[in-house]
Amino acid sequence: EVQLVESGGGLVKPGGSLTVSCAASGFTFSKAWMSWVRQAPGKGLEWVGRIKTIREGGTTNFAAPVKGRFTISRDDSENTVFLQMSSLKREDTGVYYCITRLQDIWSWGQGTLVTVSS
Amino acid sequence: QSVLAQPPSVSGAPGQRVTISCTGNNSNIGAGYYVHWYQQLPGTGPKVVIYDNNIRPSGVPDRFSGSKSDASASLAITGLQTEDEADYYCHSYDDSLNGSIFGTGTKVTVL
Repeated sequence: EVQLVESGGGLVKPGGSLTVSCAASGFTFSKAWMSWVRQAPGKGLEWVGRIKTIREGGTTNFAAPVKGRFTISRDDSENTVFLQMSSLKREDTGVYYCITRLQDIWSWGQGTLVTVSS
Repeated sequence: QSVLAQPPSVSGAPGQRVTISCTGNNSNIGAGYYVHWYQQLPGTGPKVVIYDNNIRPSGVPDRFSGSKSDASASLAITGLQTEDEADYYCHSYDDSLNGSIFGTGTKVTVL
């Protein structure tokens, strides 16, 4: 069974940094592209970014609102993907989900809440 | 285009049929990319109800169906039930974003 478990969310001040993690199991992690999606309170889903496999260079792509402030990395030995967030803004507040597409179906974690507030 | 367009809300009485549209352009749906649909109940994460335009995952009732034409897609719920009251989102891939693109979301209300 595919499982994605996010962790590391919390309260951070504007301008601060935070790293959230997603531990994966139930599939061959090293072969999967991993993405992050967020949802601000009461709002819709927003794609944040994606990392390809290490074999494909571990290439990352990001949405315009987070480009230059967020990075994504992966540790295939630990089946974990990380979202490193810096220069955080109040509008970055929301639930962050990691997702991956396996055998045509997208699988989602339960999400971790990041709150940017003073 | 950074989002796919959906109507903010649709409603119907129990047993009726409702449809939700998802409109994109030639860099996403119109480019031939698959469309997926999610149901999100309050306080929970998204659940796949349709993937690859029109395929229902096991366990999803057959009253949910999906279709795609040109740069648009639709989700239909026939025989609407009270438990279908939720937010629904479409999802595809976008060439200009080089990543996923989501719909604006539609709230389905069962009258």
